[in-house]
Amino acid sequence: SQQGEEDPQALSIQEGENATMNCSYKTSINNLQWYRQNSGRGLVHLILIRSNEREKHSGRLRVTLDTSKKSSSLLITASRAADTASYFCATPRGGGSQGNLIFGKGTKLSVKP
Amino acid sequence: DGGITQSPKYLFRKEGQNVTLSCEQNLNHDAMYWYRQDPGQGLRLIYYSQIVNDFQKGDIAEGYSVSREKKESFPLTVTSAQKNPTAFYLCASRRSVAYNEQFFGPGTRLTVL
Repeated sequence: SQQGEEDPQALSIQEGENATMNCSYKTSINNLQWYRQNSGRGLVHLILIRSNEREKHSGRLRVTLDTSKKSSSLLITASRAADTASYFCATPRGGGSQGNLIFGKGTKLSVKP
Repeated sequence: DGGITQSPKYLFRKEGQNVTLSCEQNLNHDAMYWYRQDPGQGLRLIYYSQIVNDFQKGDIAEGYSVSREKKESFPLTVTSAQKNPTAFYLCASRRSVAYNEQFFGPGTRLTVL
């Protein structure tokens, strides 16, 4: 079952611009994670935001969480060609007690130099 | 150098053959996971293991089998019963139930000829 849905499916921007990706989910969660995947590689954890947090920063990344709207956004500021990758949101499955995650289909970001 | 390794990187199989994908971690993590990723799709959970000698079916376990005889190893066998096995397979681990982040291996791309 699909919990998180990213939007847009694909995003193409120029280097230096900001990139914003959105994730919507269906059920109540206690945290939401964002992962990055370079083409043909494994996923890398970027950031986790808890349900009692509204915003979190990590370097050029800013994540927001709106539990009332069941949505999250990932902002990458001053993007670089090296940011080209797919970005996935992941939410806990079934209350999160077993640590299993449900991944969305991802947003494919292309940053042109 | 800690991490998760998967082998082989590329695997070709003839129809009707069973193949085993290797996943090893030296992070001393309790839980391990197998995901399948198809083009343009998110990750779908095949099997997971929270502890040695125990594993559970995920969303798409049919045609797959696993074992967890050692903490560091979680091999996945793709059997001939899996009707459409061509995909990218990702192994992941998690430290324990108290931690949310999953760490991923580099993946194995399986192609059925």
